[in-house]
Amino acid sequence: QVQLQESGPGLVKPSQTLSLTCTVSGDSISSGGYYWSWFRQHPGKGLEWIGYIYYSGNTYYNPSLKSRVAISVDSSKNQFSLKLSSVTAADTAVYYCARDPTGGGNYFDYWGQGTLVTVSS
Amino acid sequence: EIVLTQSPGTLSLSPGERATLSCRANQSFSSSYLAWYQQKAGQAPRLLIYGASSRATGIPDRFSGSGPGPDFTLTISRLEPEDFAVYHCQQYGSAPLTFGQGTRLEIK
Repeated sequence: QVQLQESGPGLVKPSQTLSLTCTVSGDSISSGGYYWSWFRQHPGKGLEWIGYIYYSGNTYYNPSLKSRVAISVDSSKNQFSLKLSSVTAADTAVYYCARDPTGGGNYFDYWGQGTLVTVSS
Repeated sequence: EIVLTQSPGTLSLSPGERATLSCRANQSFSSSYLAWYQQKAGQAPRLLIYGASSRATGIPDRFSGSGPGPDFTLTISRLEPEDFAVYHCQQYGSAPLTFGQGTRLEIK
């Protein structure tokens, strides 16, 4: 059974960098064939795609966040990570990681439980 | 980017009834590249439908999806108590990936 688990600080100060890690179990990131993605959901709102990464390190980002986002992969730890710089209160949200089983940046079959990140001084 | 509009915003029905949820795109995209997810309070989204009409693994056959776009529909034939949740549509036919704002299915 594939499982994903987000981890990282729940509170980030404005202008700082939000850093989250997604640990994958039950599957190997380096096996290839999948895209590994980050999403967020503002309180009471819909979902927003942030970006995804292939095991090779190829990344694709949402243009609305591209200037502030970096996603990286550490295959040795079976983890991938999100960094979002220059955060403001508008970045307060629940952040999810997920797996795209198609390798084409399509839909997502396994999701982490999500982690709430609050941006506040 | 593709904007998906889901309707209604809230749907109030009773167990055993039929639910019909709509997802409309503001422009055309690669046909049938639409997924539906169910999300319960405090939980992650759960993939229900991909390719507009293909059920994901383990999804009961009371869930069905139809397309192609720009109008897509998720139908739940006979509502079970566990079906009351928020439903999201997501398109993957045009970058960037986008979601609708969700439809809340509540018990009447």
